[in-house]
Amino acid sequence: SAVISQKPSRDICQRGTSLTIQCQVDSQVTMMFWYRQQPGQSLTLIATANQGSEATYESGFVIDKFPISRPNLTFSTLTVSNMSPEDSSIYLCSVDRQGRAYNEQFFGPGTRLTVL
Amino acid sequence: GESVGLHLPTLSVQEGDNSIINCAYSNSASDYFIWYKQESGKGPQFIIDIRSNMDKRQGQRVTVLLNKTVKHLSLQIAATQPGDSAVYFCAEKGSGTYKYIFGTGTRLKVLA
Repeated sequence: SAVISQKPSRDICQRGTSLTIQCQVDSQVTMMFWYRQQPGQSLTLIATANQGSEATYESGFVIDKFPISRPNLTFSTLTVSNMSPEDSSIYLCSVDRQGRAYNEQFFGPGTRLTVL
Repeated sequence: GESVGLHLPTLSVQEGDNSIINCAYSNSASDYFIWYKQESGKGPQFIIDIRSNMDKRQGQRVTVLLNKTVKHLSLQIAATQPGDSAVYFCAEKGSGTYKYIFGTGTRLKVLA
């Protein structure tokens, strides 16, 4: 299995500010994924981050709002820019790894963001 | 606790009974499926998976059934315990893609 940590675990932010979320994996992985989970909702993929290339964003998500860095094979950051209350969500990073399953996604504990 | 599952469909089950959680998936080309469990304040955790060339797979106390004809997936939990209380998500993936699509989720509440 993969051990994934995220920082911060939670934050309360003011409208118009930005927050950078860090994701650290205990071993090297090619692909890292960022998801958003709005209150009471399921998980929606924001983008896929590969080391050494630009992140690939899903429909409805743009780089200016959610810039992503992937400086090495064990680390990634997601920034939520110019925040509004609608950005209040849990943000999760995950990695794809062949674990017990054929192709399992392991998730970090999430970052719980509240925007006032 | 966190807000995960506040507005999701809820299944209430008596402790010791069996639970059945259902999921309708969206893409007939999906060939791999996972059930995840998400406890309050945590990220989703893998429970069991199934490939599309199977219609049933059993784990410890859990069974996943796949009906490709109607694009339906179910998770059966035997002898449900208080520790099973969580939100359960199904996720599907198509051949040749790395992306998972997550279902809407069901909150399982185990009654003592």
